[in-house]
Amino acid sequence: GESVGLHLPTLSVQEGDNSIINCAYSNSASDYFIWYKQESGKGPQFIIDIRSNMDKRQGQRVTVLLNKTVKHLSLQIAATQPGDSAVYFCAERAGYALNFGKGTSLLVTP
Amino acid sequence: SQTIHQWPATLVQPVGSPLSLECTVEGTSNPNLYWYRQAAGRGLQLLFYSVGIGQISSEVPQNLSASRPQDRQFILSSKKLLLSDSGFYLCACLGDEKLFFGSGTQLSVL
Repeated sequence: GESVGLHLPTLSVQEGDNSIINCAYSNSASDYFIWYKQESGKGPQFIIDIRSNMDKRQGQRVTVLLNKTVKHLSLQIAATQPGDSAVYFCAERAGYALNFGKGTSLLVTP
Repeated sequence: SQTIHQWPATLVQPVGSPLSLECTVEGTSNPNLYWYRQAAGRGLQLLFYSVGIGQISSEVPQNLSASRPQDRQFILSSKKLLLSDSGFYLCACLGDEKLFFGSGTQLSVL
């Protein structure tokens, strides 16, 4: 079964606002987490990653926060744009592979 | 960086027919390769992974099989498709701890 889950299946935000996508994980031994973006009909694309020895990592317009105490991961997207509309997955390393959650659909409205 | 080729992009097959999906990788050698399946509106389920030629690990019991005849070739097969085999099939390659995905094959079994 999946050990990574998401709090909200869909999220609608206005263009220009900040978006926050949340994820809970159950394996306290997980040491590496990744966020992926998947556009319709395409394979997931890497956005940002974070190791368990960090609690925050920033990229271009994106920030990932890790709270190991409550086993929670979040992806923040600043100044959300129409091109950000997609499904976002968090994933945790599990042996040779990654375990993925069900995903959150982000819809950016004008 | 690696490039993952998957084909075909879409496939419609009758129940009971065989299946062969091919994935090839460029730009890397001796990669870990993966087959994931994604049902509509769901997350990614790991089906198989391979750490080398002829080495296949199956994550879930199912109607499918995988083979790795060459270092950069990974094949997903079935002798007789079931309706439940419908889904979006993704090949992935491990690089720098991250999974890089191909463009996927949308399989519809009718």
